Amino acid sequence: QSALTQPPSASGSPGQSVTISCTGTSSDVGGHNYVSWYQQHPGKAPKLMIYEVTKRPSGVPDRFSGSKSGNTASLTVSGLQTEDEADYYCSSYGGSNNVVFGGGTKLTVL
Amino acid sequence: QVQLQESGPGLVKPSQTLSLTCTVSGGSINTGSHYWTWVRQPPGKGLEWIGYIYYSGTTFYTPSLKSRLTMSLDTSKNQFYLKLTSVTAADTAVYYCARDLGVCVGGGACSTNDAFDIWGPGTMVTVSS
Repeated sequence: QSALTQPPSASGSPGQSVTISCTGTSSDVGGHNYVSWYQQHPGKAPKLMIYEVTKRPSGVPDRFSGSKSGNTASLTVSGLQTEDEADYYCSSYGGSNNVVFGGGTKLTVL
Repeated sequence: QVQLQESGPGLVKPSQTLSLTCTVSGGSINTGSHYWTWVRQPPGKGLEWIGYIYYSGTTFYTPSLKSRLTMSLDTSKNQFYLKLTSVTAADTAVYYCARDLGVCVGGGACSTNDAFDIWGPGTMVTVSS
């Protein structure tokens, strides 16, 4: 059982927006701003898409955005494209020098 | 640009020790600007953070593996290492090494921000007799 809870699946049509949630507790997501999001295509290493809740690394399209409210962080993908179809994982500082991941969400572009 | 590459045996027998190396190229692990980390992913499952190591040798481990885990580094070789003892089938996974993006404040003090910005391609390790 993962420390952070994500929906197992999400979907949207090309051009639409989709939001993936990541729910933790006040000890992790709610208590810190070190929330990250990763995209993973099959057989590939994860790619950092969002860090520190809202920041985008260089090269990540601005269609990807992050937010947080209370113990739940969210990743929104706007203007869905076929190449966005992948697994998405959230992570958070978990306290006591620990990092916790969510169970992952499979995003399908219909 | 900085690149990471994992290496090590693909098959380990139960109860033995799993040893992996991560070789960093295009940048030095000795700068103090970043922490270095290991993450694993069992087949068909999600990601699990294993631990951090800093250029000074400071380590942080996930509680569930702490009793079996040792991370170390060799700055002269620009490599860092993972050793996991008494392995079982539950340790079968793709093992990734990665760099923590980090955050540095005035005076050069740096810490983790738990954002892994550069990853190796991963290496599959199977625990089986």
